Amino acid sequence: QLQLQESGPGLVKPSETLSLTCTVSGGSISSSSYYWGWIRQPPGKGLEWIGSIYYSGTTYYNPSLKSRVTISVDTSKNQFSLKLSSVTAADTAVYYCARHVTGWYDPLDYWGQGTLVTVSS
Amino acid sequence: EIVLTQSPGTLSLSPGERATLSCRASQSVSSSYLAWYQQKPGQAPRLLIFGASSRATGIPDRFSGSGSGTDFTLTISRLEPEDFAVYYCQQYGSSPRTFGQGTKVEIK
Repeated sequence: QLQLQESGPGLVKPSETLSLTCTVSGGSISSSSYYWGWIRQPPGKGLEWIGSIYYSGTTYYNPSLKSRVTISVDTSKNQFSLKLSSVTAADTAVYYCARHVTGWYDPLDYWGQGTLVTVSS
Repeated sequence: EIVLTQSPGTLSLSPGERATLSCRASQSVSSSYLAWYQQKPGQAPRLLIFGASSRATGIPDRFSGSGSGTDFTLTISRLEPEDFAVYYCQQYGSSPRTFGQGTKVEIK
């Protein structure tokens, strides 16, 4: 059974960089043609797609965040990561990692449990 | 960017009733790349429907999806107690991927 687990600091100061890692277990991050994504959800609000990555390093980003986002993959550790720079209170959210069903033109079927990141001094 | 508008915002129904949720796109969703997710408090979203009308693995047949172009519908034929949750539509045919704002199905 595929499992995804987010990890990283739960509190980040304004103007700093948010860094999260998603560890994949029960399957290889570099198998088949899977894409892997990050999605966030501010408290009490809806879902926002941040970006997605293929194991080869190909990335797609949401233009609204593109200037501040970097998603990378480490196949040796079966992990992929999110960095969001210059954070503000508006970046406070539950951050989820997830897997696209197969390729880029697919929805998200496996999700991590999510991790709350609060931006505050 | 494709904007997805879900209606109604809240649906108050009783167990056993039929629920009809709407998702309208600001422009045509290519190849019916439209999905529906269910989210319960404190949990991650769960994929219900993809390709506008195909049920994901393990999803009961009381859930059905329909529609094409700009108008899509999720129907729950008979609400079970575990179906009371928030439902989101998502388009994955163009970038950026976008979600609707959600419809809450609550117990009347």
